[in-house]
Amino acid sequence: NAGVTQTPKFRVLKTGQSMTLLCAQDMNHEYMYWYRQDPGMGLRLIHYSVGEGTTAKGEVPDGYNVSRLKKQNFLLGLESAAPSQTSVYFCASSPDRYSPLHFGNGTRLTVT
Amino acid sequence: KNQVEQSPQSLIILEGKNCTLQCNYTVSPFSNLRWYKQDTGRGPVSLTIMTFSENTKSNGRYTATLDADTKQSSLHITASQLSDSASYICVVISNYGGSQGNLIFGKGTKLSVKP
Repeated sequence: NAGVTQTPKFRVLKTGQSMTLLCAQDMNHEYMYWYRQDPGMGLRLIHYSVGEGTTAKGEVPDGYNVSRLKKQNFLLGLESAAPSQTSVYFCASSPDRYSPLHFGNGTRLTVT
Repeated sequence: KNQVEQSPQSLIILEGKNCTLQCNYTVSPFSNLRWYKQDTGRGPVSLTIMTFSENTKSNGRYTATLDADTKQSSLHITASQLSDSASYICVVISNYGGSQGNLIFGKGTKLSVKP
């Protein structure tokens, strides 16, 4: 039982490059989330999904896209990376909107 | 605006000592409040959940309190250990969503326990 797994763990991009972050959960959770964490700031919600095939915008969605084609996977895409997207990205899942979140261990992304 | 404020920002204590972390919130309507522990380089892990009707809840050496009238919560750590060094994040859950979702995160308190 791996919980929530994020890949890759680290990545360096040049401005304008694109990439996809993968989140996989094996707990059969309906809800999945992508957050970013920056120094001195709380976790901020980028996008979330309440079930397979659904996605919704969070607090800071600009510059990101997501897809939830399979229940266990939630992908976060950056089409044209910018230095402002340098951050640590966390994926989380939960069985419903009120249960505790299960977090992955993050992807540290640097955009130069 | 829904907000969660934590204090202090950082704290250094000696191993074996007790400490208390504070969380004040202006979230409405309130559903419940959680404390998470985040070790360096790891994702947050849930420590405890407080509902509206609960005043105190313990999880080992961690005791959380909630005063729903004053909208304050505290996390008390007893007999601290080196492994308690981490960031502690207060999260308030609202019954309504919005762009934040229904979870409003505090910025965390960074605790360092020194030998």
